[in-house]
Amino acid sequence: SQQGEEDPQALSIQEGENATMNCSYKTSINNLQWYRQNSGRGLVHLILIRSNEREKHSGRLRVTLDTSKKSSSLLITASRAADTASYFCATDPTSGTYKYIFGTGTRLKVLA
Amino acid sequence: DAGITQSPRHKVTETGTPVTLRCHQTENHRYMYWYRQDPGHGLRLIHYSYGVKDTDKGEVSDGYSVSRSKTEDFLLTLESATSSQTSVYFCAISGGGAGGVYEQYFGPGTRLTVT
Repeated sequence: SQQGEEDPQALSIQEGENATMNCSYKTSINNLQWYRQNSGRGLVHLILIRSNEREKHSGRLRVTLDTSKKSSSLLITASRAADTASYFCATDPTSGTYKYIFGTGTRLKVLA
Repeated sequence: DAGITQSPRHKVTETGTPVTLRCHQTENHRYMYWYRQDPGHGLRLIHYSYGVKDTDKGEVSDGYSVSRSKTEDFLLTLESATSSQTSVYFCAISGGGAGGVYEQYFGPGTRLTVT
């Protein structure tokens, strides 16, 4: 399988705490993206980081990328109950086909 | 929400019957994708299209075919449905980003049950 792996598979934290989830992938990439999926809904794009970038911020989100280790992390600061969702990374391989490869996801539960 | 719809939203069918799922977009995006989502597997690409009449296989294409006769519609067909194709199917579109970098917009999903 070409799929990436996400770690942890599930995470439960208290409101106000930070949540960190990790993504590992297997091929060289153009960019890596993070998506959120609320239960029973489609995925929503959160943030994109290019292969020549090491860190990116968007509001309470911070993404890092280490291409030498083929890994990325997503940090959500000051989490809220509304952040409860599954989070997926997706990689855009350098093959140029735009055939994105998704990770298996991290289920985040934020307790109020 | 991006202008992307899927139909039907729910379907129950019997083993061996043909099934067609439709994805419709109003965004004029070039790329369209069909994924399936199963517990423990995340999203897996079935087929994708990079233009009208241009399609390519994904990771789990066996038992599925697709067609794209116009920009806005991408059809996924299960020629003879099997119980292993019970899943949630998502359509996605992309193709409007700057600098050749594209984010994907997802439809609401179709829950298919094959009995």
